Amino acid sequence: ELKVEQNPLFLSMQEGKNYTIYCNYSTTSDRLYWYRQDPGKSLESLFVLLSNGAVKQEGRLMASLDTKARLSTLHITAAVHDLSATYFCAVEETSGSRLTFGEGTQLTVNP
Amino acid sequence: ETGVTQTPRHLVMGMTNKKSLKCEQHLGHNAMYWYKQSAKKPLELMFVYNFKEQTENNSVPSRFSPECPNSSHLFLHLHTLQPEDSALYLCASSQESWGFGQPQHFGDGTRLSIL
Repeated sequence: ELKVEQNPLFLSMQEGKNYTIYCNYSTTSDRLYWYRQDPGKSLESLFVLLSNGAVKQEGRLMASLDTKARLSTLHITAAVHDLSATYFCAVEETSGSRLTFGEGTQLTVNP
Repeated sequence: ETGVTQTPRHLVMGMTNKKSLKCEQHLGHNAMYWYKQSAKKPLELMFVYNFKEQTENNSVPSRFSPECPNSSHLFLHLHTLQPEDSALYLCASSQESWGFGQPQHFGDGTRLSIL
């Protein structure tokens, strides 16, 4: 059974600071997704990472995938309040089976 | 108009009631999904439909009954639910189901409370 672990689960940071959220998974995969969820809202797709070494950037967020280490990171640069949300990673097994989500990281960016 | 629309947004029902959740997608996708999101737990996949055919039932109790009349619409019929079924129910769609490296698009969810 595929297990996906995110850490930290809760993150409080100040505006302007940098931080990284980690997503570890337990089995072979080269397809990983990052989503954002605002309170009371749906999940919004942020990044799709489809190969080892893949790196995607959008604004202050950058995601990467290391399939050998079974690790993805979501790096936040110079955080702003608008980034406050819950961030989920989700992993799809190489065999093309279901998507397994991590528990989510609740990010709060304080002024 | 958002790509994936769920109704109602909130639902309160007794354990003996029968109700249905509705999901509609306007993205031209072929796969649709139901997920359950409970507090402090990861999203749990419930059902998958691909081209109107159910391709996955993740050991969901029979008190939850899905229906997919066409690729754009998905229902979740509820009957004799338990208090532990209170959660946010999310619908999602994607171009195809697993194995194509495409993200799923989610609706805003239905917040279900069982009395």
